[in-house]
Amino acid sequence: AQRVTQPEKLLSVFKGAPVELKCNYSYSGSPELFWYVQYSRQRLQLLLRHISRESIKGFTADLNKGETSFHLKKPFAQEEDSAMYYCALGSLGADKLIFGTGTRLQVFP
Amino acid sequence: DVKVTQSSRYLVKRTGEKVFLECVQDMDHENMFWYRQDPGLGLRLIYFSYDVKMKEKGDIPEGYSVSREKKERFSLILESASTNQTSMYLCASSLTRRGPNQPQHFGDGTRLSIL
Repeated sequence: AQRVTQPEKLLSVFKGAPVELKCNYSYSGSPELFWYVQYSRQRLQLLLRHISRESIKGFTADLNKGETSFHLKKPFAQEEDSAMYYCALGSLGADKLIFGTGTRLQVFP
Repeated sequence: DVKVTQSSRYLVKRTGEKVFLECVQDMDHENMFWYRQDPGLGLRLIYFSYDVKMKEKGDIPEGYSVSREKKERFSLILESASTNQTSMYLCASSLTRRGPNQPQHFGDGTRLSIL
C-alpha cells in the first residue's frame, strides 16, 4: 500500500539555522513526490516536485529511492518560511496523491 | 493562473441537514478532488473525478457523495450531516490523468461546522 510518513508534527528553529523536514514513502512502483506548503491564512500550494529538480524559495528536495525518502531542506531558514508543509506521493498514470500528515515549521527571529 | 473557487469560506449547519459544498475551476482541468483537512491527520481524499459524470471513491467516502455535471464544477454532498463531519474541506483540480502526476491546485477551503 502507498503511504507517506512525516515523523515530525512540529519543527522549531531559529532564523538562519538549517532546516530539514523529513518525508518517507512506501510504494513498490515508480514514485512521484511533491512538497506542498500552506502559509497562514493562504491556500495550499505546490512548493516543488522531484521531477523538476529545482530550488524554490531556497528549498531543495532529493528523491532517495534506496532510503525511500524525499526530505525537504533549506540551508538558512527565514521567518517567512513558517508554515505547514505536506509531502505527497503520486504514481505515473494515477490521478490521486497520498498526503502525509504534515509538519509545522516555526522559524523564530 | 489557475483559479479554484469554493463557494463558502465558512458554513454552519445542523445535524441531519443535507449540505452542499461547491467548487469551480477555470482552467479546463480534467481532474477534480475533495479532501478534508484535520489537525494531525493531514489531507484525506474523500472523492475524486477525472471526467464529467465520473467519480471515484477516495480513502474516506462514507457519508459523502459527489456530483460532476459540468467539467468545471465538482460538488460535495453530505447526505445527512453529523458532528464528526465538522472539518476544513479542500477542493483541488489538476490538468489530466495522462502522463506524470500533475500538480494539484487548491481552493481556499470551506470550514464547515455541524452543530
